[in-house]
Amino acid sequence: DSGVTQTPKHLITATGQRVTLRCSPRSGDLSVYWYQQSLDQGLQFLIQYYNGEERAKGNILERFSAQQFPDLHSELNLSSLELGDSALYFCASSTEGSNQPQHFGDGTRLSIL
Amino acid sequence: QKEVEQDPGPLSVPEGAIVSLNCTYSNSAFQYFMWYRQYSRKGPELLMYTYSSGNKEDGRFTAQVDKSSKYISLFIRDSQPSDSATYLCAMSAVPTGRRALTFGSGTRLQVQP
Repeated sequence: DSGVTQTPKHLITATGQRVTLRCSPRSGDLSVYWYQQSLDQGLQFLIQYYNGEERAKGNILERFSAQQFPDLHSELNLSSLELGDSALYFCASSTEGSNQPQHFGDGTRLSIL
Repeated sequence: QKEVEQDPGPLSVPEGAIVSLNCTYSNSAFQYFMWYRQYSRKGPELLMYTYSSGNKEDGRFTAQVDKSSKYISLFIRDSQPSDSATYLCAMSAVPTGRRALTFGSGTRLQVQP
């Protein structure tokens, strides 16, 4: 158990809809990262938050947004969903220390019908 | 061209075999190199972490980094059916606790009993 909790495990919805994915980081971790894993694409970095502030952006679509709350949990909001958004969405957390690894949750599987 | 290239496999070996998994990369700024193992329906789990060039051994696992060739490898000795998983290489130009990682697309390994 990595200590990173993601809910829900599986989400099924339709095109055009909006969903929210939730992540609770490991106790004490201030950084949260969101990644998208599509078939044969590996893990693509979406966005990073550190202690409530956005720190870095990767290949995140304008239809997607995220935030980190004072209790350090994070939410990834996906709107105007398209079939191509079907993927696994992973959250990872880490401490700020220089060689601290990123610990991953078990992901949310998003299926767009 | 992707920054990190990884043979997707699948790679099928008999139990007890030595397995070699490899990644090449193009960004010479990468200094931190990781191997993650991902079981089906689970999040990536950190296996090995190395800084710059050289070898690191942990039990049956050995990680090698050759920065001059921009090539990293993971060797698994005496492979077991429980090693059957997808192996992801990951890299970073800065210490791993501070920024997102760049991943290869993963190699699927199947160890036959």
